[in-house]
Parts: sequence; C-alpha cells; structure tokens
Amino acid sequence: GENVEQHPSTLSVQEGDSAVIKCTYSDSASNYFPWYKQELGKRPQLIIDIRSNVGEKKDQRIAVTLNKTAKHFSLHITETQPEDSAVYFCAASTDTGRRALTFGSGTRLQVQP
Amino acid sequence: EPEVTQTPSHQVTQMGQEVILRCVPISNHLYFYWYRQILGQKVEFLVSFYNNEISEKSEIFDDQFSVERPDGSNFTLKIRSTKLEDSAMYFCASSLQGNTEAFFGQGTRLTVV
Repeated sequence: GENVEQHPSTLSVQEGDSAVIKCTYSDSASNYFPWYKQELGKRPQLIIDIRSNVGEKKDQRIAVTLNKTAKHFSLHITETQPEDSAVYFCAASTDTGRRALTFGSGTRLQVQP
Repeated sequence: EPEVTQTPSHQVTQMGQEVILRCVPISNHLYFYWYRQILGQKVEFLVSFYNNEISEKSEIFDDQFSVERPDGSNFTLKIRSTKLEDSAMYFCASSLQGNTEAFFGQGTRLTVV
C-alpha cells in the first residue's frame, strides 16, 4: 500500500520568512495530493491540493509543487505569519488503489513573531 | 457552509465496553470515512464506506470495529470491546467522490480507562 514520508517533523521560522515542508510517496499510481492544516485540538482542514497532471499550484502565500518522477511534493508558505503556526499534514490517494487518504506524519510549524 | 458533525465531542469509557461514535456527513457526499489520530501522531485511515457498504479498510480496522449507516444521514463507528490503545481522536470525513477533497468533522476524543 501507499506510504507517505514527511519532513521535517518540526520547523521554526521567523515571521516573514518562508517555510518548506517536503513529502515523498511510494505508490506511483497516487494522483491526488492534498495538504491539511491542523490547529491544536481542531479538525484537519484542507489548505491546498494538487493532482498529478499539474506540476505546481499556488494560492496567495501557499504553493505546492509536485515531481511525479521523483515521487515527491512540497508545500511552500511565503511571508509566514504567527497564525500559520499549526501542524501540517501531507496526504496522497489514488483512483486505482486506496481512494482514502494516506497521511504523512506531520510537521509542526512554529512562526516566531 | 455545510460541515461534517460528530457526537459526542468527548467519550470516556471503561475498558471492555462498547462505544458508538456518531457522524453526520455532508448531505450530498457519497463517500464516508473514519480516521483516528493518537495524541501527537499522524492521522490514520480506518475505513471508507460507499454505496451502503465498506469500500476499503485498513489493517487497524479489525473485527472489533464496525460501521453502519442506520438512516439517510448518520454514519456510525462501533468499537465492540474497547482497549486502552483505542484511546485516540476519531475523525469522520466525507467527500463528494473518492480520491477528492475530504471534509473532516471536529472529532470525538475517546478515552478508554
């Protein structure tokens, strides 16, 4: 089955700096890659997603890049703000195998004011 | 905005007791999921449900677990004989189709004592 590796596990940046979180996946059939943000005690919420027919997607300060050949995808947050502090999870799923999401282990992002 | 709702928000139960966690998915969604998150760990897939039957399940979802859609709106997870290691946050999610954005409920924190 699918295995998603995520790193770093923790990331501390200064407000205004950029943050990058990286994930790799094992199943070459995976074609949907969402990123979820989870604040303490809250539900995971989708912040951006990408499908395998696209190499990059951007939404204001957030962007995701996908390298299908290398089987990795990354989340980029620019101009970080204290409210970006949370745990971020990457995930993957496929049309042909497990349609449910397989999550990475999470990255705790701390933005220092 | 429609959202997935879960009850109760917190459940404390004695080891060996049965618990039922309840979820109301978003009304026009076709796929329903249960995930769990042990404190400080990643979100783990348990089971997905489509067209009134289980469509896939993980190795975690053993004979102690069952799911049901007793009526047109509720989706339940039953744990027959709880163990200490079942203590976790249980998230219900739903999606319009498989392999698309999953919307998560706010979770039920299950504590087995």
